[in-house]
Amino acid sequence: DAGVIQSPRHEVTEMGQEVTLRCKPISGHNSLFWYRQTMMRGLELLIYFNNNVPIDDSGMPEDRFSAKMPNASFSTLKIQPSEPRDSAVYFCASTVGSAGNEQFFGPGTRLTVL
Amino acid sequence: QQPVQSPQAVILREGEDAVINCSSSKALYSVHWYRQKHGEAPVFLMILLKGGEQKGHEKISASFNEKKQQSSLYLTASQLSYSGTYFCGTAAYNFNKFYFGSGTKLNVKP
Repeated sequence: DAGVIQSPRHEVTEMGQEVTLRCKPISGHNSLFWYRQTMMRGLELLIYFNNNVPIDDSGMPEDRFSAKMPNASFSTLKIQPSEPRDSAVYFCASTVGSAGNEQFFGPGTRLTVL
Repeated sequence: QQPVQSPQAVILREGEDAVINCSSSKALYSVHWYRQKHGEAPVFLMILLKGGEQKGHEKISASFNEKKQQSSLYLTASQLSYSGTYFCGTAAYNFNKFYFGSGTKLNVKP
């Protein structure tokens, strides 16, 4: 069975450019999470969707970040405009039910903003 | 609200035991444990639920003290494959919030 799919796996962009990260959760999973991981800040939850509805977006750093989940099989995380401090690994995870259940992580997208 | 993990790092010889602790200032309803190897995504190990239900993985066990809002992960007779960073994650009562701890880096040497 396919796990969580993320694209691209690596992204290098210049400051000021728009970046879009994509995630396809495991089929049948109804909760989706976007995380950011850096050495300094560790693993941070950015936003959590349940049944395509954002439940907790308190981790979204600022207005430059936005996330959407138009349907149960696709989500995007957009950064516009990007800044060097956004450089990190971004993980998408999914699960059945709520945040209290086992989360399955995608391979991550390594973003570098120059 | 982020749970606090201790220790930050552990170095073991193969076959030795280790305990990793996770504590929260908020009431916990579930505690997760994940392991992340370098350059990879976190992988689920175990979940402990309020009320005592537990799901396990491999030869690793854990405890959950609801009154103290603490959880401990026990790694016995460690193997080289146990090396990695261990994260605890905690869910609040309505499961609408989830936080990972800062991680404990475990290095098992031959």
